[in-house]
Amino acid sequence: SQKIEQNSEALNIQEGKTATLTCNYTNYSPAYLQWYRQDPGRGPVFLLLIRENEKEKRKERLKVTFDTTLKQSLFHITASQPADSATYLCALDEAAGNKLTFGGGTRVLVKP
Amino acid sequence: GAVVSQHPSWVICKSGTSVKIECRSLDFQATTMFWYRQFPKQSLMLMATSNEGSKATYEQGVEKDKFLINHASLTLSTLTVTSAHPEDSSFYICSAAPPGQGVNEQYFGPGTRLTVT
Repeated sequence: SQKIEQNSEALNIQEGKTATLTCNYTNYSPAYLQWYRQDPGRGPVFLLLIRENEKEKRKERLKVTFDTTLKQSLFHITASQPADSATYLCALDEAAGNKLTFGGGTRVLVKP
Repeated sequence: GAVVSQHPSWVICKSGTSVKIECRSLDFQATTMFWYRQFPKQSLMLMATSNEGSKATYEQGVEKDKFLINHASLTLSTLTVTSAHPEDSSFYICSAAPPGQGVNEQYFGPGTRLTVT
């Protein structure tokens, strides 16, 4: 069966440290993988998109890697800040048609 | 960036009644919009793809007669939950992407919290 797995346990991290989140998938062949941020009671906000032929993407303090052999994406928040506290969702797009399948999300709590 | 709005932001209705939720793209036209549902502490589950001028495409297990979707214009899609029951209580979120740029990130609405009593 198809699965997208993110660590369901909350990630508690000290301000200034790097938070690393994982997204593992099985029985998918995504053309694209995206990461979103969701705050409580709000819709997700797009952060980064990485294509199947890309290994790494960066945007300010965010970095995403994509390993299609391991079927895994890593999402890094460097120099984390309390304002980064949120739930982070990975989403797969298999057919490049904007139809997304989401993982369960990982909650990040950055402590000052 | 592109903005997607939803109305209402929250609604409480009685069991057996119908509720309509609107999703609007404010500064771009969207031939396709997506409707998701999110239960507490769970992720977003795609319900259906809303297509302007044609019928919506529903995901497996989603009752099309219960969740009516109308995409009558390039900036508006509506989701009507018919004969709502308490188990329909959830967070409903829509998304859209500006056209003409290949694969894009999705822009999500702020969501609508539905509570059925």
